[in-house]
Amino acid sequence: AQSVTQLGSHVSVSEGALVLLRCNYSSSVPPYLFWYVQYPNQGLQLLLKYTTGATLVKGINGFEAEFKKSETSFHLTKPSAHMSDAAEYFCAVSLDTGRRALTFGSGTRLQVQP
Amino acid sequence: DSGVTQTPKHLITATGQRVTLRCSPRSGDLSVYWYQQSLDQGLQFLIQYYNGEERAKGNILERFSAQQFPDLHSELNLSSLELGDSALYFCASSVLGRYTDTQYFGPGTRLTVL
Repeated sequence: AQSVTQLGSHVSVSEGALVLLRCNYSSSVPPYLFWYVQYPNQGLQLLLKYTTGATLVKGINGFEAEFKKSETSFHLTKPSAHMSDAAEYFCAVSLDTGRRALTFGSGTRLQVQP
Repeated sequence: DSGVTQTPKHLITATGQRVTLRCSPRSGDLSVYWYQQSLDQGLQFLIQYYNGEERAKGNILERFSAQQFPDLHSELNLSSLELGDSALYFCASSVLGRYTDTQYFGPGTRLTVL
């Protein structure tokens, strides 16, 4: 069975600093990987996804993530944090099995300090 | 706005009661997923429908059931409610329900069981 681990339930950065949110996955077959963001009292919005091909994926709002098979990781980064980036971020995996739903990590709450 | 609508936005009810949550997918999407988000369990997949038929089941309790209608909207029925059923329930939709599809999430229904 697949699983997703997000290291750090809370991450705090200063405005303008690098954002790094960690995600590791466990899967016996090639995974499809997603990052979603959830703002307070809202649903989840897709930031980016990795399917096949280029391992560096660019998403919305300046975020990007790199799929590293050897490290089973899909960390999310942004060079310079904005106050508006404060939200909860979820990493998710989807596999080509009978169940095609997303398996989510536990989430990382990002705080951006002025 | 993802294009997925959910009603009601909030629902407060008592233990033992039954409620129905409604979801309208994005125009053209054939697949609907239901997820539960709670503080102790995180985001969990409940059930998936594709073009009116159940496709996959996750951690859905026997007290819970769902269906997808010919117009592709879906309803999640929760019965014999318990305090622990209090959670945010999300509906998501995708085009074909493949594991590669992007799932678009609705704003959720917050259920409070008193």
